[in-house]
Amino acid sequence: DQQVKQNSPSLSVQEGRISILNCDYTNSMFDYFLWYKKYPAEGPTFLISISSIKDKNEDGRFTVFLNKSAKHLSLHIVPSQPGDSAVYFCAARKDFGNEKLTFGTGTRLTIIP
Amino acid sequence: DTGVSQDPRHKITKRGQNVTFRCDPISEHNRLYWYRQTLGQGPEFLTYFQNEAQLEKSRLLSDRFSAERPKGSFSTLEIQRTEQGDSAMYLCASSRITNTEAFFGQGTRLTVV
Repeated sequence: DQQVKQNSPSLSVQEGRISILNCDYTNSMFDYFLWYKKYPAEGPTFLISISSIKDKNEDGRFTVFLNKSAKHLSLHIVPSQPGDSAVYFCAARKDFGNEKLTFGTGTRLTIIP
Repeated sequence: DTGVSQDPRHKITKRGQNVTFRCDPISEHNRLYWYRQTLGQGPEFLTYFQNEAQLEKSRLLSDRFSAERPKGSFSTLEIQRTEQGDSAMYLCASSRITNTEAFFGQGTRLTVV
């Protein structure tokens, strides 16, 4: 049962343009969402997060949007840079005190110079 | 280096052998997590510790798997009688109690032949 879904296995975007990565979830108990970035042969690196009480969180070139009614979140990267090429994982956590993260299957982002 | 450290980075073992992995978390982090990642999938939760107490175990953690964190600092994950299906990347992460974002190590890649 895949509770966190990333339906696009890969995405290619031209350098300087906006990258939009999508994530859907099915469990309404999830209340905190995170994005991680992973380079080959390295562990995931935390990127940005959002609580369910917000609909937007921004950090530099990265913005995460949350639509609770649609159980959908997205990560916007603008402008996209070659160093952004990596696999991006969406993760979700249930109510505070339950620290297990449930990850999606990832989207491989390739930035074309 | 103040990040999460895992040892070894790679392990090749014959089926039926026992293996043990070590994780050193970020020093001020109370929580320590173990995840497993197979090809094409996101990380899957195995277990987590708060200080030395193991608070949650996934059903993925069969009887052949055991994790310890004896003094609330480093942790070990042991797999007994390894099977080919155990081949995966084993990831360790740590976090503060007051902070949801978990920081991952580079992982230990296990290959069972």
